[in-house]
Amino acid sequence: DAGVIQSPRHEVTEMGQEVTLRCKPISGHDYLFWYRQTMMRGLELLIYFNNNVPIDDSGMPEDRFSAKMPNASFSTLKIQPSEPRDSAVYFCASSPPGQVFAQPQHFGDGTRLSIL
Amino acid sequence: ELKVEQNPLFLSMQEGKNYTIYCNYSTTSDRLYWYRQDPGKSLESLFVLLSNGAVKQEGRLMASLDTKARLSTLHITAAVHDLSATYFCAVPLTSGTYKYIFGTGTRLKVLA
Repeated sequence: DAGVIQSPRHEVTEMGQEVTLRCKPISGHDYLFWYRQTMMRGLELLIYFNNNVPIDDSGMPEDRFSAKMPNASFSTLKIQPSEPRDSAVYFCASSPPGQVFAQPQHFGDGTRLSIL
Repeated sequence: ELKVEQNPLFLSMQEGKNYTIYCNYSTTSDRLYWYRQDPGKSLESLFVLLSNGAVKQEGRLMASLDTKARLSTLHITAAVHDLSATYFCAVPLTSGTYKYIFGTGTRLKVLA
């Protein structure tokens, strides 16, 4: 398995710019999660999908954040407009179907986002 | 609101020593997950604990779950430098959900 693939690995951009983070889950996994990790708030779940449908987006901080999953192998997290307080590491994770709670979530390497 | 607290937050220990990391959570849950994160890296699943009294072991690490006490422990036996990392526990917000609340993390440093 190739694992969960995220791109870019690092992103530095200026305040006000649009940022798009990308994720390819492990093939066959039908749950996809977006997390944000900061020193102050730790690891927070932003949104998760099942079979490409958003199930819980209560962790999305503001309307500036949006996430889509157009198909089973691709998801995006978009921030528009970006602000310095959005600087964080964003992780994508996926999980397989079947006995779902017995399965851990498999995390990607993360995108380190810096908003100047 | 579910709170997941780990202690200690930081742990520096000598190689060969034993120690335990604690994870307390504030609401009922019959599942708990442990992850490891190396600096600047992703999270790696260590253990999935699915019932009261569950005990899992892998190498020098052993995890247990006491749902009545709302407590999980991660015990380290004869620590080695390679175990240096941050360890997180995670608890589902409610039964039947994939929304996990992660603990604050315990940063472990094993000194040679």
